[in-house]
Amino acid sequence: GAVVSQHPSWVICKSGTSVKIECRSLDFQATTMFWYRQFPKQSLMLMATSNEGSKATYEQGVEKDKFLINHASLTLSTLTVTSAHPEDSSFYICSARDLQGIADTQYFGPGTRLTVL
Amino acid sequence: GENVEQHPSTLSVQEGDSAVIKCTYSDSASNYFPWYKQELGKRPQLIIDIRSNVGEKKDQRIAVTLNKTAKHFSLHITETQPEDSAVYFCAASTNYKLSFGAGTTVTVRA
Repeated sequence: GAVVSQHPSWVICKSGTSVKIECRSLDFQATTMFWYRQFPKQSLMLMATSNEGSKATYEQGVEKDKFLINHASLTLSTLTVTSAHPEDSSFYICSARDLQGIADTQYFGPGTRLTVL
Repeated sequence: GENVEQHPSTLSVQEGDSAVIKCTYSDSASNYFPWYKQELGKRPQLIIDIRSNVGEKKDQRIAVTLNKTAKHFSLHITETQPEDSAVYFCAASTNYKLSFGAGTTVTVRA
């Protein structure tokens, strides 16, 4: 149980284009999902907290107009990187809290490797 | 906000020896402390966690201790095996938000 999927697993795009990443909880309902970014050999940095049916809460320094988050259902959150540039190249990972389970535990998706040319 | 410091950044141990990773946190409101193992290009995998009302927890070769007064917690891996080689992250949770340490690259020498 408690499986989180992400799609795509990797994407290469040209500078200036937008990329959408999907995060799904497959066997549980997630009231809250989190989006992280991880640069090579670095730690996970929280970008934003996504709550179903409401606006996402962004961490300090994260541009909300650049990283659009939509949490339309209890099993799906999407992150859209708008007008991507090479410095946005990174490993993007989502996680989800189980509505029914232990509230603190976050289950991570497999990540999406974004490369912007 | 929460600040989590993790040491050491790299750790090399002989197979069969123990590995210890230490973390400190700054926010006394943090109440949940998970440890994750991450292999290259993969998702972080929860290996053990501890809540603020518990001082110690063990799961086979892995144990975690928490000192709330000193605001530090540690991961202990005994009888290390080559498959324990990975990057390990500690984290502290405040209001369900996780703050991660910088990570420890553990290498187990055969």
